Amino acid sequence: GEDVEQSLFLSVREGDSSVINCTYTDSSSTYLYWYKQEPGAGLQLLTYIFSNMDMKQDQRLTVLLNKKDKHLSLRIADTQTGDSAIYFCAESENNNDMRFGAGTRLTVKP
Amino acid sequence: KAGVTQTPRYLIKTRGQQVTLSCSPISGHRSVSWYQQTPGQGLQFLFEYFSETQRNKGNFPGRFSGRQFSNSRSEMNVSTLELGDSALYLCASSLRLGTDTQYFGPGTRLTVL
Repeated sequence: GEDVEQSLFLSVREGDSSVINCTYTDSSSTYLYWYKQEPGAGLQLLTYIFSNMDMKQDQRLTVLLNKKDKHLSLRIADTQTGDSAIYFCAESENNNDMRFGAGTRLTVKP
Repeated sequence: KAGVTQTPRYLIKTRGQQVTLSCSPISGHRSVSWYQQTPGQGLQFLFEYFSETQRNKGNFPGRFSGRQFSNSRSEMNVSTLELGDSALYLCASSLRLGTDTQYFGPGTRLTVL
C-alpha cells in the first residue's frame, strides 16, 4: 500500500526552530497536510499544501514540498513549550481518504 | 462557528458488545469521515459519507459500519467488540467531497475490556 513515513521523535530547545520531515510514496497525492495532536485531544489542522506548490508560510509555520523526492517538511520557527505535541503528516488524492504517518512527537525543552 | 463534536467522549465496553458513536459536523459541512487511531496501527481511515451515502471505505471488517443522516450528522457502529477495537475514534468533516480540508473532532476513546 501507499506509505507515509515520519521520524518518531524530535527534541528542541525553546526558541530554536523545529523541522519535522515526512516522506510519502503515492505520486498521485494532491493534498498534503500537517496536523497537531495534543495529549488527550483530537487532531488540529495546522496547515496544508497543494501538490502544485513548493512552499507555504503561515506565521511561524513553513511547509516545504519537494514533489520530485516526495518529501514534505514542517518548520516551526521560535518553538515554544506549547508546541510540544505529536505532529502528523498526511496525504490524500481526493481530500477524503487520507493516509497518515505515525506521527512525530515534538518535545520542547525550556 | 462550532467545531466538530463527538459523543460520547469516553466509553467502556466489554467484548462481544456493540457500540454506537456519534459525530456532528461543522454546520454546513456535508462530508463526514471516520478514522481509528491506535498506538500500534496509527491513524487509519474507516469510511466517508456524503449526502447520506457511503462514498469510500477503508480496509476494516464488516463489524464496522456507519450511516449519515439528512442533517449530515453521522454515526458509526461496531458490533461484536474485540479487545483490539480499543482506540480513539476520530470524526472529520469537510464542506464537500474532494475539496477543502477536513476538520477533526476531539474523538471518542473506546476501551474494550
